Amino acid sequence: DTAVSQTPKYLVTQMGNDKSIKCEQNLGHDTMYWYKQDSKKFLKIMFSYNNKELIINETVPNRFSPKSPDKAHLNLHINSLELGDSAVYFCASSQVKSGNAGYTFGSGTRLTVV
Amino acid sequence: SQQGEEDPQALSIQEGENATMNCSYKTSINNLQWYRQNSGRGLVHLILIRSNEREKHSGRLRVTLDTSKKSSSLLITASRAADTASYFCATTDSGNTPLVFGKGTRLSVIA
Repeated sequence: DTAVSQTPKYLVTQMGNDKSIKCEQNLGHDTMYWYKQDSKKFLKIMFSYNNKELIINETVPNRFSPKSPDKAHLNLHINSLELGDSAVYFCASSQVKSGNAGYTFGSGTRLTVV
Repeated sequence: SQQGEEDPQALSIQEGENATMNCSYKTSINNLQWYRQNSGRGLVHLILIRSNEREKHSGRLRVTLDTSKKSSSLLITASRAADTASYFCATTDSGNTPLVFGKGTRLSVIA
């Protein structure tokens, strides 16, 4: 009965590879997000989707491409992985667009690029 | 861009003591939220306070908001070892923007 689930939990891959992270929420929320947390614990918004439509696309390299097949899923595909992409990636969802409600976060995907 | 700035960066207290963390932000906000993150886990929403509210309580948590000073504080009373975690404040303006998080305060509660 996990509310926001991400897979995989850990991902170790070589530079130059392409990888995907999946996220699903069973809360019926309309809005989903991807955040990146660096080694200093700083959380930065990457993307925001409302009902399958992209709302926010922060300054993120175009090697990162989100895909939302339906409002319960928001996947993140990363091409040509670089060492600097190593971080923890969090998916989150909220009931109301923007920040007017609390977010529910997944448990994170720790990506290590070697 | 980073909006919130928590203070202190790290805090260590004895079980049973109160813990106070502060958050300052730069621009006008619609609401401010506090989250907890245990080591290796996702963030958990604790409390939301709107810009027209000054104080809010939830169990052992008390949050205040001073919009004139652009600051908020989170007080955890009678702390427990299980409160050991990082605490983040996050803000959003009245527009269509996702939450912007601060750097967090690392709280250690020693039994």
